[in-house]
Amino acid sequence: KAGVTQTPRYLIKTRGQQVTLSCSPISGHRSVSWYQQTPGQGLQFLFEYFSETQRNKGNFPGRFSGRQFSNSRSEMNVSTLELGDSALYLCASSPVGENTGELFFGEGSRLTVL
Amino acid sequence: AQTVTQSQPEMSVQEAETVTLSCTYDTSENNYYLFWYKQPPSRQMILVIRQEAYKQQNATENRFSVNFKKASKSFSLKISDSQLGDTAMYFCAFMKQKNTGFQKLVFGTGTRLLVSP
Repeated sequence: KAGVTQTPRYLIKTRGQQVTLSCSPISGHRSVSWYQQTPGQGLQFLFEYFSETQRNKGNFPGRFSGRQFSNSRSEMNVSTLELGDSALYLCASSPVGENTGELFFGEGSRLTVL
Repeated sequence: AQTVTQSQPEMSVQEAETVTLSCTYDTSENNYYLFWYKQPPSRQMILVIRQEAYKQQNATENRFSVNFKKASKSFSLKISDSQLGDTAMYFCAFMKQKNTGFQKLVFGTGTRLLVSP
């Protein structure tokens, strides 16, 4: 079974631009969540999607948004990029219903904002 | 709100030795999960071990075991017979146990473990 796939793996943007990151969950996993990892703030929850609905959102500005498609693939978007948005963005999927709590992570998309 | 604290930013150990990583957490919840995740350099985060709060028995996975003390809210990870491949960042994480299925991890700041020959 293929793991969680995130694209692109690396990208460089400039301030003010926007970016879209993609995540394909493990087949059969219907929950997708996103985390931001930075040296200063550590790992922080962005949002979680299930059945195309955002179930919860972390404490991030409205510039951060996401969506989930009917095939459970998810995208997150960051508009009007700031230097502080430079981070590793991790996507995780889980098999909702098993209630094990385990999340399966992708390798991440490393965003650099210049 | 839940918080997870890892007080050891870095640790080092020699191959074949045993090392213990510390983690404390704060919550008013009674039902929850605790995890240790491993993030090797430039590689994806993977689950090392998982503990359900209602279980008194400490979880073990091969060379990895935990010391879970619910009353004092501590959750340490012991790695026995350390191997070079254990070199990684280790994150302690907390998750409320919810019937809704919504799952959100609260992470500690991590402990960087270096295993040397």
